Amino acid sequence: NAGVTQTPKFQVLKTGQSMTLQCAQDMNHEYMSWYRQDPGMGLRLIHYSVGAGITDQGEVPNGYNVSRSTTEDFPLRLLSAAPSQTSVYFCASSLSDDQPQHFGDGTRLSIL
Amino acid sequence: AQRVTQPEKLLSVFKGAPVELKCNYSYSGSPELFWYVQYSRQRLQLLLRHISRESIKGFTADLNKGETSFHLKKPFAQEEDSAMYYCALSERGTGGFKTIFGAGTRLFVKA
Repeated sequence: NAGVTQTPKFQVLKTGQSMTLQCAQDMNHEYMSWYRQDPGMGLRLIHYSVGAGITDQGEVPNGYNVSRSTTEDFPLRLLSAAPSQTSVYFCASSLSDDQPQHFGDGTRLSIL
Repeated sequence: AQRVTQPEKLLSVFKGAPVELKCNYSYSGSPELFWYVQYSRQRLQLLLRHISRESIKGFTADLNKGETSFHLKKPFAQEEDSAMYYCALSERGTGGFKTIFGAGTRLFVKA
């Protein structure tokens, strides 16, 4: 049972490049979310999804897109990377939207 | 407006001393509150939630609606408690409930 799996673990991008951070869970969780973790700011919610086909914006959605075509996967897309998006990104899932979340190991992203 | 406030970025205590990590929230409805912990080189994980009213690893947290607080307490800190602690609030958004985290408090327990 892998839980929440994020790929890649590390990535370096140039400004303007696009990329997709992958997140998959094998627990049949309905709820999934993406956070970014920055020093002194804790975890800030980017986007979340309460089920396949349903997504909504969090606190800091600008510059990011998500989709939820299956229950298992919740990819996060950076449309045009900017240095301000340098951060550690965490994906999380839970059985429902008010239940405790299970986190992945994170993706450390650097934008040059 | 910040909905979850953890006023201390760093808290340093000696082993065996009591510890209290503060958390204040802003929410008009009935709050669903959690404490998460991230130990070095481990995943962020749930420590406890207020509706469980249980003690995990000696930690407890009581919801005080009058003071809108959910402070995390332990009577005798241990070195293995050193970690990053996050208070979190589950609040209703347009697409369902979403969990908002505080900025976190790093606890350092000295020998």
